[in-house]
Amino acid sequence: RKEVEQDPGPFNVPEGATVAFNCTYSNSASQSFFWYRQDCRKEPKLLMSVYSSGNEDGRFTAQLNRASQYISLLIRDSKLSDSATYLCVVNDGTYKYIFGTGTRLKVLA
Amino acid sequence: DAMVIQNPRYQVTQFGKPVTLSCSQTLNHNVMYWYQQKSSQAPKLLFHYYDKDFNNEADTPDNFQSRRPNTSFCFLDIRSPGLGDAAMYLCATSRDRGVGNIQYFGAGTRLSVL
Repeated sequence: RKEVEQDPGPFNVPEGATVAFNCTYSNSASQSFFWYRQDCRKEPKLLMSVYSSGNEDGRFTAQLNRASQYISLLIRDSKLSDSATYLCVVNDGTYKYIFGTGTRLKVLA
Repeated sequence: DAMVIQNPRYQVTQFGKPVTLSCSQTLNHNVMYWYQQKSSQAPKLLFHYYDKDFNNEADTPDNFQSRRPNTSFCFLDIRSPGLGDAAMYLCATSRDRGVGNIQYFGAGTRLSVL
């Protein structure tokens, strides 16, 4: 089993739709959780940190479920510019950040 | 303004010809990381520096070396690039290690090996 697992997608959604991604992690000692956005052939950019019960930033909401060891990302009112790969990243409290392989989102006009 | 700067953005080298990739940061972060990312794959950690302490990942080939002459700069040396080393190389920094520390990435260097 991979340490961090994501559905690779692609998720093809119309503009204005709500879309949700899940990410599961295997290490119950994981401490910090992040969602990064990565555009094609570009670097990962931090979208949100998820520390406790989750947080919201505009159209984006991240949730953490420690009991079931997953985090989710909800995007409301999808824009064309949201098209990207979304990387789930988990840190176990050390130097190590474990990346999922990413979920591809394509928002269609 | 970019806080983690990688040079060059694109690098073409020949099979077996040494190449050096550069990373600099203006964040004064203690930790600098080098990742290799191939198409449709997750970034793979090669090594990291915690201040001057070098920490190699167990599965990083000997072909990959790194130097950190000061807080701001870190270099990735590929001694004899093979075709399989063609990838995006990402430099990242974090203030410290452990809980709550966010990684900031440079724009990456895309390496092609001919």
